[in-house]
Amino acid sequence: EAGVAQSPRYKIIEKRQSVAFWCNPISGHATLYWYQQILGQGPKLLIQFQNNGVVDDSQLPKDRFSAERLKGVDSTLKIQPAKLEDSAVYLCASSLALQTGGVYEQYFGPGTRLTVT
Amino acid sequence: GNSVTQMEGPVTLSEEAFLTINCTYTATGYPSLFWYVQYPGEGLQLLLKATKADDKGSNKGFEATYRKETTSFHLEKGSVQVSDSAVYFCALNPNTGKLIFGQGTTLQVKP
Repeated sequence: EAGVAQSPRYKIIEKRQSVAFWCNPISGHATLYWYQQILGQGPKLLIQFQNNGVVDDSQLPKDRFSAERLKGVDSTLKIQPAKLEDSAVYLCASSLALQTGGVYEQYFGPGTRLTVT
Repeated sequence: GNSVTQMEGPVTLSEEAFLTINCTYTATGYPSLFWYVQYPGEGLQLLLKATKADDKGSNKGFEATYRKETTSFHLEKGSVQVSDSAVYFCALNPNTGKLIFGQGTTLQVKP
């Protein structure tokens, strides 16, 4: 079974530029997550999708970050304009459908390492 | 609110030593608890989980017991190997789907 795919693996941009990350979840996984992992910290959820609907985007800096999951499969996370503090690894994860009281394992992709100079 | 606190690292042990990595949590309700591991150059992988109080999760010789009375989920292994060197993350799921992670503990095992 193929895992969660992410691209690019590395990206270096200057501040105020824009950048986009792509994620392809495991086939059949309805729930998709984007996490931000700053060096030396644990991952922090940015946004959670169930199919193509947003379940939780309370921690997403909406003035500069946006995400979409058209057709409920692939997802794109965009930053525009980037700031120095956005330097981090951006992780995509997927799981089976969210179910009240249910806990499904999240499978993580390899991440995209973003450096903003 | 929900949060997870792990012991600071790095933890450096000799091969075959006993490992404990402490994890405590704050949560409303009855969360599920997890340990994830990140080997050098690889993505996050689920190591073990426990979904209710007094459950014990185990995998690859690692164990952790969900202790509601002390709000803890400490990770233990009786005899570590060099191949266990990695970053370990404790996390909770307040049954909404998302994971809330601790800051991670780096384990270095020397031969």
